[in-house]
This record gives sequence, structure tokens and C-alpha cells, in this order.
Amino acid sequence: KAGVTQTPRYLIKTRGQQVTLSCSPISGHRSVSWYQQTPGQGLQFLFEYFSETQRNKGNFPGRFSGRQFSNSRSEMNVSTLELGDSALYLCASSKSSAAQETQYFGPGTRLLVL
Amino acid sequence: QKEVEQNSGPLSVPEGAIASLNCTYSDRGSQSFFWYRQYSGKSPELIMFIYSNGDKEDGRFTAQLNKASQYVSLLIRDSQPSDSATYLCAVNRPNTGNQFYFGTGTSLTVIP
Repeated sequence: KAGVTQTPRYLIKTRGQQVTLSCSPISGHRSVSWYQQTPGQGLQFLFEYFSETQRNKGNFPGRFSGRQFSNSRSEMNVSTLELGDSALYLCASSKSSAAQETQYFGPGTRLLVL
Repeated sequence: QKEVEQNSGPLSVPEGAIASLNCTYSDRGSQSFFWYRQYSGKSPELIMFIYSNGDKEDGRFTAQLNKASQYVSLLIRDSQPSDSATYLCAVNRPNTGNQFYFGTGTSLTVIP
């Protein structure tokens, strides 16, 4: 079974631009969570989508948004990029949105904001 | 107080030794605990999960959970150089759906 895929793998943007990242979950998984990983803060939860609905949201500004499509694929958008948005963005899929569900991570998208 | 805390290390052990990684969490109601391994430049990969108090073994790995003391640990027996990585502890807090709270990770180096 194919794992979680993320595109693009690397991205360079400049301040003020916007970016859209894509995530395709494991086949049969309906929940997609997004995380930001930085050396200083570690892995921080952005949001979770299940059945095209945002189920949970972390403590990030409104510049960070996402959506999920009927095939469970998810996109994350960051508008008005700031230097501090440079990070590894990881998506994780799980079968459902229930607690105790294991999350499986994709390879990540490394974003550099100049 | 952070939700999940780990010693950042680095932790160095000789090949063949037991590596012990520890994690504490703040929410007493937490019910699900996960250990992930992350190699440099790669994404986290699941090692194992534990829900109940006690030990859970999977090959060379043993997870230990003590809810009364609010800590979870990972033991790696017969450590190999390929085990050198950062180990992340993740906790699922109650009433947060499938949101994981991660520690900042412990860097492990196994010396040949």
C-alpha cells in the first residue's frame, strides 16, 4: 500500500507570497493532519481534516488555512509568507479522527522563505 | 509547562547497549502515547504505540507507560548504529480528537 505523499518536496518563496502544499493520504485513510516542524519549536499541530471538515485547529494565525477534498486529499495554504514560516511541513494520515488512531507521516515539504 | 517534555540529549550509547529514552506529559487524562523515530532530513516514522500501563514489547523495542507518574519511556535493546536518530514522543490528549502533542525529541547516537 502506498504511503502518504506530499508535493512539492521543496519550495522557495519570498516574503509576502502565498504557497499551497498538497497531501495525499494512505488509501482508505480519511483523516489528514498538518504539522509544522522547526528546529526551535519542534513539531506543532496546525489542523486536522476529516470528511472534508476541519475537526481541530492549532494555535496558528489565520494566514494558515487548509481544506480537504472528497477523495481525502488535502491542501494547506499559507498567505503573506513571513521569514518565520520557513519550516518542514508534514502531513499525517490516519484511518479516522478518533483518539488513539495512529498517524503516518508523509515525507514533508521543506519551505524556505527569503 | 509544556504538554510533552523530553531530554533533548544528545544521548550516546555503545553498540549493543540498552538505550533508554524518557518522556513526561502534563495532562493526566492523556490516553494514547506514541514513539516516532526521525532520521536527519527525513520525516517521522512510527516505532510503536502504547495505551495501557505497563510494558509493551516489539522486537528490540519496549515501551513503558506509567500513567500515575505521567511518564512514558522507550527502551532499545542491542542498540545498533542504524538506531542513531531523533526519537519523538507524541501524546494524544483527551478531547482533542486526533491531535498529537510532540516533545522536542531526544537525539540518540549509537557508537560502533
